[in-house]
Amino acid sequence: SQKIEQNSEALNIQEGKTATLTCNYTNYSPAYLQWYRQDPGRGPVFLLLIRENEKEKRKERLKVTFDTTLKQSLFHITASQPADSATYLCALELTGGGNKLTFGTGTQLKVEL
Amino acid sequence: DAGVIQSPRHEVTEMGQEVTLRCKPISGHDYLFWYRQTMMRGLELLIYFNNNVPIDDSGMPEDRFSAKMPNASFSTLKIQPSEPRDSAVYFCASSLYGGSVSVTHNEQFFGPGTRLTVL
Repeated sequence: SQKIEQNSEALNIQEGKTATLTCNYTNYSPAYLQWYRQDPGRGPVFLLLIRENEKEKRKERLKVTFDTTLKQSLFHITASQPADSATYLCALELTGGGNKLTFGTGTQLKVEL
Repeated sequence: DAGVIQSPRHEVTEMGQEVTLRCKPISGHDYLFWYRQTMMRGLELLIYFNNNVPIDDSGMPEDRFSAKMPNASFSTLKIQPSEPRDSAVYFCASSLYGGSVSVTHNEQFFGPGTRLTVL
């Protein structure tokens, strides 16, 4: 069966450290992978997109990697801040999927002072 | 632009009642998505439209759920009759197809959601 797995346990890190979140998938062949941020009581907000033929994408303090052999994406936040505390969702778009996204369950990140 | 607008923000109803959720997408966007989010199942796609036409409704849980998009600026999700297990946050999202080489290909913009409680 198809699965998108993100660490269901919350990730607690200290301010200034690098946070690394994992997105693993099985039985999918995604053309694109996206990461979203969701704050309590709000809808998800788009952060980054990476294509199947790209290994890495960066945006300010954010970095995403995509390994289609391992079927895994890593999402890094460097120099983390308490304001980065939120739930982070990965989403797959399949080749020929008609712009349809399938979301993982998300990982809650808490950055402590 | 005001972003995606959803109404109501909160809805409390009794089992068996009809519930209608409303969405106004971002002007000019050609895709509209309805999602449901629960703690147990996460964010699930229910149905999506392209240029007002339903493309995939395979996520609609059963016949009690229906969705319409009569024009480019309005969509509804209706549950009739509602049941306690329908309690969730319902999100509407819209996107503009930027082509396969777009930097933000199919970036979806979400509304604030409607929190539905069925008693």
